[in-house]
Amino acid sequence: AQRVTQPEKLLSVFKGAPVELKCNYSYSGSPELFWYVQYSRQRLQLLLRHISRESIKGFTADLNKGETSFHLKKPFAQEEDSAMYYCALGRGFQKLVFGTGTRLLVSP
Amino acid sequence: NAGVTQTPKFQVLKTGQSMTLQCAQDMNHEYMSWYRQDPGMGLRLIHYSVGAGITDQGEVPNGYNVSRSTTEDFPLRLLSAAPSQTSVYFCASSYSAGQGTYNEQFFGPGTRLTVL
Repeated sequence: AQRVTQPEKLLSVFKGAPVELKCNYSYSGSPELFWYVQYSRQRLQLLLRHISRESIKGFTADLNKGETSFHLKKPFAQEEDSAMYYCALGRGFQKLVFGTGTRLLVSP
Repeated sequence: NAGVTQTPKFQVLKTGQSMTLQCAQDMNHEYMSWYRQDPGMGLRLIHYSVGAGITDQGEVPNGYNVSRSTTEDFPLRLLSAAPSQTSVYFCASSYSAGQGTYNEQFFGPGTRLTVL
């Protein structure tokens, strides 16, 4: 079954510290993976997708098929990064399977 | 553009009552979907539609009905509300894509539903 696992419910770091939000998936085919973010009082929105291989707001995520992981990383966290982050896996025709989410809290 | 709009923002129901959550988008997106968000469970797909007149079930469809008579609107109906349906409901829309490809989904602001 297709599944996305985000093992951390809460990740708390200080401003300027590196951040890594973990995401592991199970999928038998060639996966398409996404990170969505929900800032306080804002809508859920796409942060990045693995096929784009781009950096958004300083965040990057690399697909590791051997470890079935798609961890989200940022070298220096900012307070405005505090949000709820969801990893999602595409399962055909626009359908997404979401992980349970990780709340990132960046303290000054 | 208003994007994806949802009404109401908040709703309290008694067990057994029925109601419709409204979702509309003005981006001419073919694909629309409904998710529920529960603590510790992330977002789970309830129903989706790939175009007007076409709907299908997601992961957790029981207790919910949908229809898609226009491209813009995708209402979610609770026929007989149960406390287990207490949740935050999100509607999303996107351009359709072929098998194995995905377009960005745009989410509405959510409806917080409590069933007593």
